[in-house]
Amino acid sequence: DIQMTQSPSTLSASVGDRVTITCRASQSISSWLAWYQQKPGKAPKLLIYKASSLESGVPSRFSGSGSGTEFTLTISSLQPDDFATYYCQQYNSYPITFGQGTRLEIK
Amino acid sequence: EVQLVQSGAEVKKPGESLKISCKGSGYSFTSYWIGWVRQMPGKGLEWMGIIYPGDSDTRYSPSFQGQVTISADKSISTAYLQWSSLKASDTAMYYCVRPRTGYPNWFDPWGQGTLVTVSS
Repeated sequence: DIQMTQSPSTLSASVGDRVTITCRASQSISSWLAWYQQKPGKAPKLLIYKASSLESGVPSRFSGSGSGTEFTLTISSLQPDDFATYYCQQYNSYPITFGQGTRLEIK
Repeated sequence: EVQLVQSGAEVKKPGESLKISCKGSGYSFTSYWIGWVRQMPGKGLEWMGIIYPGDSDTRYSPSFQGQVTISADKSISTAYLQWSSLKASDTAMYYCVRPRTGYPNWFDPWGQGTLVTVSS
């Protein structure tokens, strides 16, 4: 199985900050990576697919980059609605695997 | 609009059986894979398995193989996740998901989730 490791596990930041979350794969997954945002009691919401493609309707302050084994999700200017948990997911090969999540909290 | 609507919350005792459902609408149900993701309380997301309703081809994560059964009834555009003998450790939120195009792929949409509680 491909292991996905996110860092940090928890991130404290303020409104207006630029934040970056990293996701590392245990082997190359090309650009077959998605990012999701999950708020308490809600289903995850797709933000980014194919490592850097922004899902329709997602604010442009979200961006993704990377290929191979290292990927990043960047939020350019944090808004109050962005405080949530973020997950990466690889879909290069079966079985599909997720990172353990990064909780973004208000400083 | 593509939608997945799941059945309601369940409270069961250890050893009981359970089948939860996920109804797809707004697309050709037999032309897309549909799968399941588990989220245990306070924990992350785990992919369980997936089925292609067109021919019932089913794939399981090794972690869930033999523990659950995934099925689909294409006549009513509904996928199922079932257990023959529940354990307390099956307590979790279960989401159905549809890959955007083929498989493997990213997941969108997601169902609203079905909370399963197993307690004596």
